[in-house]
Amino acid sequence: EPEVTQTPSHQVTQMGQEVILRCVPISNHLYFYWYRQILGQKVEFLVSFYNNEISEKSEIFDDQFSVERPDGSNFTLKIRSTKLEDSAMYFCASRLGESSYNEQFFGPGTRLTVL
Amino acid sequence: AQSVTQPDIHITVSEGASLELRCNYSYGATPYLFWYVQSPGQGLQLLLKYFSGDTLVQGIKGFEAEFKRSQSSFNLRKPSVHWSDAAEYFCAVGARAAGNKLTFGGGTRVLVKP
Repeated sequence: EPEVTQTPSHQVTQMGQEVILRCVPISNHLYFYWYRQILGQKVEFLVSFYNNEISEKSEIFDDQFSVERPDGSNFTLKIRSTKLEDSAMYFCASRLGESSYNEQFFGPGTRLTVL
Repeated sequence: AQSVTQPDIHITVSEGASLELRCNYSYGATPYLFWYVQSPGQGLQLLLKYFSGDTLVQGIKGFEAEFKRSQSSFNLRKPSVHWSDAAEYFCAVGARAAGNKLTFGGGTRVLVKP
């Protein structure tokens, strides 16, 4: 069964460093998402991406964040200068697209720890 | 703006007993509604979804949920809980727009007693 994969599973970084979180969505899906879950809090939407551009972003998704689909398979989230408060589990999701009846499929997440 | 409330942070249930998890949503139109389950260290797995039609929806692992528009609720139920159902459960509402972002509730952690 196709699935969304994410690497790495755990990333530890120093405050101020750049990190790139990687996702491989399901191959024929068209919509891509990033969500995050700070420990003990709810899952929060960050950004959605379609047709090689951001379709929606939350107020969390400020200039420190960017997303890219550098090739036909990967979908990345970059944080330019990490802060302590960026420590969270980051989930990638993908959706088949066009019909809103399609649910989002989530990856296993990347736990980001900023020291 | 859409929002989801899960009033119960923790629920403890005995194995074999029934389970009901509450979810209330706020959305300006007919919502898309979802229940996801997250086992420790795992990602989010879709249990079931509601888009339209029959208000009682069946999902995987023996779960069902009922959409009640008058109460703005989408409660999740299981008649007989198994120890493997111990996990965190998230209710979510999806926007009926092209981006279809999900807004999640705070989650309910279910503990299953032997």
